[in-house]
Amino acid sequence: DIQMTQSPSSLSASVGDRVTITCRASQSISIYLNWYQQRPGKAPKLLIYAASSLQSGVPSRFSGSGSGTDFTLTINSLQPEDFATYYCQQSYSTLQTFGGGTKVEIK
Amino acid sequence: QVQLVQSGAEVKKPGSSVKVSCKPSGGTFSTYGINWVRQAPGQGLEWMGGIIPLFGTTNYAQKFQGRVTITADKSTTTAYMELSSLRSEDTAVYYCARARSMKTGTTLSAFDLWGQGTMATVSS
Repeated sequence: DIQMTQSPSSLSASVGDRVTITCRASQSISIYLNWYQQRPGKAPKLLIYAASSLQSGVPSRFSGSGSGTDFTLTINSLQPEDFATYYCQQSYSTLQTFGGGTKVEIK
Repeated sequence: QVQLVQSGAEVKKPGSSVKVSCKPSGGTFSTYGINWVRQAPGQGLEWMGGIIPLFGTTNYAQKFQGRVTITADKSTTTAYMELSSLRSEDTAVYYCARARSMKTGTTLSAFDLWGQGTMATVSS
């Protein structure tokens, strides 16, 4: 199976900060990388697909980049509703896997 | 607006099985895949497996091979996930999610629609 490693596992930030989360795949996955946001008690929500494409309805402060094994999710000007847990996911293999998650907390 | 509607919470004994359903409201399966993802309390997301209802083809995570069965009934447009030989560690919220090709003509897929989740508790 392809292993997905996210870092950091948690971070504290303030409203207005720029936040960067990284995700590394154990082998090259081209751009088959998606990002999800999950708020407490809610189902995950797709933010970014194909490494850098913004899902419809998602604010433009969210952006993704990368290809191969290294990927980044950036949140510009963090808003109160952005405090949540973020997961990367690879869809390169039919056996799909998620990263361990990054919890973004209020400083 | 299509939603994925899952069956209600379950409480099961160790060693038994649980079967969770997932039905798109106001829509069909079309060519989409339906995947199952679980989340133990306080833990991350774990992909269990998926099915393409149109073809009936399935894929399962190695961890769950032999214990999980994912099916789809095209006549009722309902997908199912059954997990057997339950143990306490299977206590989790189980989500179904629609897998859709996000770029025409490619296999670049993502889970763009999720069910509300079904809590399954395994306890003696």
